[in-house]
Amino acid sequence: TQLLEQSPQFLSIQEGENLTVYCNSSSVFSSLQWYRQEPGEGPVLLVTVVTGGEVKKLKRLTFQFGDARKDSSLHITAAQPGDTGLYLCAGETSGTYKYIFGTGTRLKVLA
Amino acid sequence: DTAVSQTPKYLVTQMGNDKSIKCEQNLGHDTMYWYKQDSKKFLKIMFSYNNKELIINETVPNRFSPKSPDKAHLNLHINSLELGDSAVYFCASSQDLVTEAFFGQGTRLTVV
Repeated sequence: TQLLEQSPQFLSIQEGENLTVYCNSSSVFSSLQWYRQEPGEGPVLLVTVVTGGEVKKLKRLTFQFGDARKDSSLHITAAQPGDTGLYLCAGETSGTYKYIFGTGTRLKVLA
Repeated sequence: DTAVSQTPKYLVTQMGNDKSIKCEQNLGHDTMYWYKQDSKKFLKIMFSYNNKELIINETVPNRFSPKSPDKAHLNLHINSLELGDSAVYFCASSQDLVTEAFFGQGTRLTVV
């Protein structure tokens, strides 16, 4: 069974701090997505990465896909309370037509 | 205008009952999904349909039966509900099998 492990599982930081969330697997993915989910809502896509080594930036968020396409990271610079939420990575193995979701990272940014 | 809407938002029912959750998308997407999110927030795919055809059935008990009357709708019927079925069920849709999924707000099912 494919498994996407995210770390840390929980993270509570002060506003203005930087943080990195990791998503690791032993499987190779043809593409990997990052979602953010707020309480009472469904996940919302932040980014999709498809090329090994690819780096994408979304304002203060930087996403990187590992060279071997087995892992990914999400770095947030100068975190704000609005960044609070559950961050989920999801990987798709070529030909399976399904995204396997990671174990999730719950982030809380304190004002 | 809600893109993916599912009803009801909350559902409390007794063990053994049969219940349905409805989902509709107005995005013109070809693919729809049902996901289950457990109490630890782990999100797992249950089913996917593409153009009304079942593509993925992720070893879900046969008490769960999805039905897609047309491309815009994917309903989930659950027979003989069990305590372990308590979770948040999310419907989602995407343009095709590998593109971005848009999720509904979820249905919190509580079996008592």
